[in-house]
Amino acid sequence: QQQVKQSPQSLIVQKGGIPIINCAYENTAFDYFPWYQQFPGKGPALLIAIRPDVSEKKEGRFTISFNKSAKQFSLHIMDSQPGDSATYFCAASSLQDDKIIFGKGTRLHILP
Amino acid sequence: KAGVTQTPRYLIKTRGQQVTLSCSPISGHRSVSWYQQTPGQGLQFLFEYFSETQRNKGNFPGRFSGRQFSNSRSEMNVSTLELGDSALYLCASSPGGTGNQPQHFGDGTRLSIL
Repeated sequence: QQQVKQSPQSLIVQKGGIPIINCAYENTAFDYFPWYQQFPGKGPALLIAIRPDVSEKKEGRFTISFNKSAKQFSLHIMDSQPGDSATYFCAASSLQDDKIIFGKGTRLHILP
Repeated sequence: KAGVTQTPRYLIKTRGQQVTLSCSPISGHRSVSWYQQTPGQGLQFLFEYFSETQRNKGNFPGRFSGRQFSNSRSEMNVSTLELGDSALYLCASSPGGTGNQPQHFGDGTRLSIL
């Protein structure tokens, strides 16, 4: 019940394409869904986050879509660039449990 | 504002030894969490400290322990090191906890066990 399932494990997209990374969760108590971006040799950095009271959130070229009934959320990267090549982690947490559970990550490569 | 600082960045140890890793959180942050990152298992939660008290613990053996000081700096200790402990150890800080708050990560300590 505490798992967050992330797919795909790896993704290769041409520059300008729209990579989509999907995550699914089971625990309905989760109420905060952040995405983290990690470059080699660096720690993860918060990219964008959503709460279940909205179905979509955009920040620049990054969009989170959230489907509460399906218990799924996804990250879309518009007009992807080679500099977006990184590992992306979805996560879920709840104030109630005060724990954060991470997906296993997606290694994204944007071809120039 | 300075970010989360972890020292050392790299460490090589042999089986059976013990190791202590250090984490200085962002100024004003009272919660420090530790994670183990490996290619196969991703980011796994070790434990969280808040105001010098361990609030949450992941599923790791007792060889993994930690503590937090009054200035919020934290240390993680691993005793009787095993080959499988080779990993990137990350610490993250936040103002008040791990639930519903962004985690600010350091760049980690890469631990290699020979």
